[in-house]
Amino acid sequence: EVQLVESGGDLVQPGGSLRLSCAASGFTFSSYWMSWVRQAPGKGLEWVANIRPDGSEKYYVDSMKGRFTISRENAKNSLYLQMNSLRAEDTAVYYCARESRGGSWYDYWGQGTLVTVSS
Amino acid sequence: EIVMTQSPATLSVSPGERATFSCRASQSVSSNLAWYQQKPGQAPRLLIYGASTRATGIPARFSGSGSGTEFTLTISSLQSEDFAVYYCQQCNNWPTTFGQGTKVEIK
Repeated sequence: EVQLVESGGDLVQPGGSLRLSCAASGFTFSSYWMSWVRQAPGKGLEWVANIRPDGSEKYYVDSMKGRFTISRENAKNSLYLQMNSLRAEDTAVYYCARESRGGSWYDYWGQGTLVTVSS
Repeated sequence: EIVMTQSPATLSVSPGERATFSCRASQSVSSNLAWYQQKPGQAPRLLIYGASTRATGIPARFSGSGSGTEFTLTISSLQSEDFAVYYCQQCNNWPTTFGQGTKVEIK
């Protein structure tokens, strides 16, 4: 059974940093593109970043480029999101999601981890 | 960036009735369109990909259609578990973008 389990969400002050993790199981993690998608309270879904199976390519939404870094450790079946210079508008539930082999839709999602940026 | 616009924002439907709602792209996305269902406090669940292909385990009452810029999701006979928010996603152009969602509520 495919499972994605996020962790690391917390309350952090503006300007602070946080590292999110996503533990994957039930599939060959090293064969899939992986993404982070976020959802602000009461709002819709927003793609944040994704990473190639071997980690050699990474893409970010423009508003987060330079502040967020996506990475992965295939040996540990883990995906990460390092978030720096956090702003109030980064407050959201952050989901780890697996991209389908057939296209860039997301066939599995984690349960999400809440990041709250507030003083 | 491609803007995805869903309508209506809220749809009130009685159990057993048919529900149809739309997703429009600001430019053609071919058939690279997915639909998700999200219930309160839960992660989104993939329903439809490639505009019309049901994901694994999705009941036949869910169907998707369209191509280019106009897409439709239809639930043929609403069950109690179908009351949720539905999102479309285009995955034709980078960056992938989502619609703002249609909430299906009990009438």
